[in-house]
Amino acid sequence: DQQVKQNSPSLSVQEGRISILNCDYTNSMFDYFLWYKKYPAEGPTFLISISSIKDKNEDGRFTVFLNKSAKHLSLHIVPSQPGDSAVYFCAASNGITGANNLFFGTGTRLTVIP
Amino acid sequence: KAGVTQTPRYLIKTRGQQVTLSCSPISGHRSVSWYQQTPGQGLQFLFEYFSETQRNKGNFPGRFSGRQFSNSRSEMNVSTLELGDSALYLCASSLGASGAGGADTQYFGPGTRLTVL
Repeated sequence: DQQVKQNSPSLSVQEGRISILNCDYTNSMFDYFLWYKKYPAEGPTFLISISSIKDKNEDGRFTVFLNKSAKHLSLHIVPSQPGDSAVYFCAASNGITGANNLFFGTGTRLTVIP
Repeated sequence: KAGVTQTPRYLIKTRGQQVTLSCSPISGHRSVSWYQQTPGQGLQFLFEYFSETQRNKGNFPGRFSGRQFSNSRSEMNVSTLELGDSALYLCASSLGASGAGGADTQYFGPGTRLTVL
């Protein structure tokens, strides 16, 4: 049973425009959410996170929004750059199953077109 | 600061064999978690070790086991390999803060690509 879902397997965006990656979850006990990006032949690289007590967290070009009532989060990348092309994974955890037991979505492949 | 390292990077085994994978965490990190990535199931949590003790465990059979040493390095073992065990095995390390969500960010190694023939 997939508790974290990324329903868009791929996304293409022009350089300089906004990229919006979406993620939905089913477990209301999740209290921490993270985004990772992954290049081929490398492990996932941590990008940004958000606690369930917040609805927005910003770090440079990356902003994560959390809508708890909708069990939805999104990652905004502005402006998008060709180097952002990678697979992006949404992940979640909770204090019951452990902070380091991450539940991952299946990933969205972002392609930024120069 | 050096990142998470995993050895070997690639491994080919045959059904029925056993395999041991190694992970060296970032210096100062005390928690090591293992994940399996397959095209069909995505990234799935195997287990976490903290201070040489298994702290959390995912839904994998007992053929998958691990351990952690006093220097926080960790090994993962898979016995009686099956074709379905072919996957990328990722190790992640973190400081190992309390078990409450939100206190710990994991940093991943490059993974070990295991192929079972």
